[in-house]
Amino acid sequence: GEDVEQSLFLSVREGDSSVINCTYTDSSSTYLYWYKQEPGAGLQLLTYIFSNMDMKQDQRLTVLLNKKDKHLSLRIADTQTGDSAIYFCAEGRSQGNLIFGKGTKLSVKP
Amino acid sequence: NAGVTQTPKFRILKIGQSMTLQCTQDMNHNYMYWYRQDPGMGLKLIYYSVGAGITDKGEVPNGYNVSRSTTEDFPLRLELAAPSQTSVYFCASSYSKQSATNEKLFFGSGTQLSVL
Repeated sequence: GEDVEQSLFLSVREGDSSVINCTYTDSSSTYLYWYKQEPGAGLQLLTYIFSNMDMKQDQRLTVLLNKKDKHLSLRIADTQTGDSAIYFCAEGRSQGNLIFGKGTKLSVKP
Repeated sequence: NAGVTQTPKFRILKIGQSMTLQCTQDMNHNYMYWYRQDPGMGLKLIYYSVGAGITDKGEVPNGYNVSRSTTEDFPLRLELAAPSQTSVYFCASSYSKQSATNEKLFFGSGTQLSVL
């Protein structure tokens, strides 16, 4: 299977919270990342979490890390139509490369 | 602020043709990367470079070549294009070894390549 797994689609209503989940495989990953890709554009780093942290909050974004289960989640509070995009989870490997999941397409309905 | 610039944005190739995807960055970053993104898939690393004159293979290097003669430029070469190379190609850069730091990757806007 894929090294990093995430569900492919998520649909929410504007104003609701969105939760995008991800599982990874390498317990030695130092950093875990969330990237956002808007249509026709490259990826942009949204947020990251260091592996010795459980939670990180950055304005409307909350990242939760369960290192025991190798589970990462991204919560977007008060989701807006501008949040519609594909969200990629990525783990940083010790060799220096990132392993990306397939991406979760978030659709926000007005 | 140019950041990472890729050209061309779109290209259609015939099987067996060759081409070079250009990538340049103006941030004086040491590390540069080429990824490919297939439909419904995550990004796969093709090649990367840790500095001028140094390149190394990523996960999916077959069918590609790279060079890094300057800090700014990191071209990707397809010698004999095959339909399996139809994909969106992204160049990225970072100042340091990105997986070991919180430093982000800067991505170009991508090159959509079709091999027919």
